[in-house]
Amino acid sequence: DGGITQSPKYLFRKEGQNVTLSCEQNLNHDAMYWYRQDPGQGLRLIYYSQIVNDFQKGDIAEGYSVSREKKESFPLTVTSAQKNPTAFYLCASKDLRGAIVGTGGQFFGPGTRLTVL
Amino acid sequence: KQEVTQIPAALSVPEGENLVLNCSFTDSAIYNLQWFRQDPGKGLTSLLLIQSSQREQTSGRLNASLDKSSGRSTLYIAASQPGDSATYLCAVQMDSNYQLIWGAGTKLIIKP
Repeated sequence: DGGITQSPKYLFRKEGQNVTLSCEQNLNHDAMYWYRQDPGQGLRLIYYSQIVNDFQKGDIAEGYSVSREKKESFPLTVTSAQKNPTAFYLCASKDLRGAIVGTGGQFFGPGTRLTVL
Repeated sequence: KQEVTQIPAALSVPEGENLVLNCSFTDSAIYNLQWFRQDPGKGLTSLLLIQSSQREQTSGRLNASLDKSSGRSTLYIAASQPGDSATYLCAVQMDSNYQLIWGAGTKLIIKP
């Protein structure tokens, strides 16, 4: 079955540590996205990538880093510079060709809940 | 700057009722609008996507309408069921290469 997987489901980080959240998709989608979700707020875009080896900052990129070495993978690293990283992190992908013909939409993974101890 | 608002933040209704969730946006020049469902602690599931040229989309008991001129979209749920309990989010896209702009969601509880 095609879809998006995120791991781990729960992640705990100590102060000063870097942690990496995994996102993999087998939908052959060109674009991938990372969002942060906090209670009572809309999703906020951290980073996105529309092609391998290229990515763009979103609204809240500070303290985060990404890589896109393969089309199917878009890992997110939460660095120690991110002062308030406790949140629910969602990865999404999108078929940009679908956007051209007017049928595209974003598909989401199940999320990773990160807690700072 | 586009802003998306969903009111109310929470809604509780008895099972079987028809209900409407609201989404408003400040800039009417949108490319599309999408409704999502999120179950607690889970990812998002896309429900309906309405292109800017469309007025409505239907899927089963769900009907989403779009009125660009007034900056509003509604999600109509017919004959609500306890399994419809979830948070419903709307998001707009300003052009095909632009990011989604999200509302904060409406938490819906259907009481048996």
